[in-house]
Amino acid sequence: QVQLVQSGAEVKKPGASVKVSCKASGYTFSSYVMYWVRQAPGQRLEWMGWINAGNGNTKYSQKFQGRVTITRDTSASTAYMELSSLRSEDTAVYYCARTVRVYSGSYFERHDAFDIWGQGTMVTVSS
Amino acid sequence: EIVLTQSPGTLSFSPGERATLSCRASQSVSSSFLAWYQQKPGQAPRLLIYGASSRATGIPNRFSGSGSGTDFTLTISRLEPEDFAVYYCQQYGSSPSFGGGTKVEIK
Repeated sequence: QVQLVQSGAEVKKPGASVKVSCKASGYTFSSYVMYWVRQAPGQRLEWMGWINAGNGNTKYSQKFQGRVTITRDTSASTAYMELSSLRSEDTAVYYCARTVRVYSGSYFERHDAFDIWGQGTMVTVSS
Repeated sequence: EIVLTQSPGTLSFSPGERATLSCRASQSVSSSFLAWYQQKPGQAPRLLIYGASSRATGIPNRFSGSGSGTDFTLTISRLEPEDFAVYYCQQYGSSPSFGGGTKVEIK
């Protein structure tokens, strides 16, 4: 079945970096855009960035620009999110999520809503 | 950035009742690019509705979405026990943003 499986929980010290992986299965990885979304305690869900798994193009939220890097390995059907210069406010559950593609008769329409989610990776930043 | 407001934060219903949840945007959401999700404790969000009114694959038809511009609604026609959860709206007409959520609890 279609699924995204993320790497396990991480504990990092302030100033360190973390890299989370997201392995896709059950669909053609390169045909979709993958987002990274995080959910901090008591905060809203927020998007961090996305990658077009086909051509590797990326876009990052202004909030995380300069600190986040999203990459992919098409041979492994895996996307990665690396966040640097970690601080306590980065403590959150990090999700990868696949965007919706709707066939509209002659082309696929992309909706940046998320139909498949990873199980989440808890990242704790603490000294 | 478009700010989405979901109020109230908590709604209480009995199973079998009809639930109507609101999501208001600070600016018009282009092309009705609005989605709804359900989230239960310890789980990832689950997509219910995209494009304001299109049900996602496998979603029961007791869930429906409506609205345009700045006002959107998620309706659950008859609440089942498994529907008690937190519901979020998300707009993706511009840089994506999420609402603060509405918790649907058992009365």
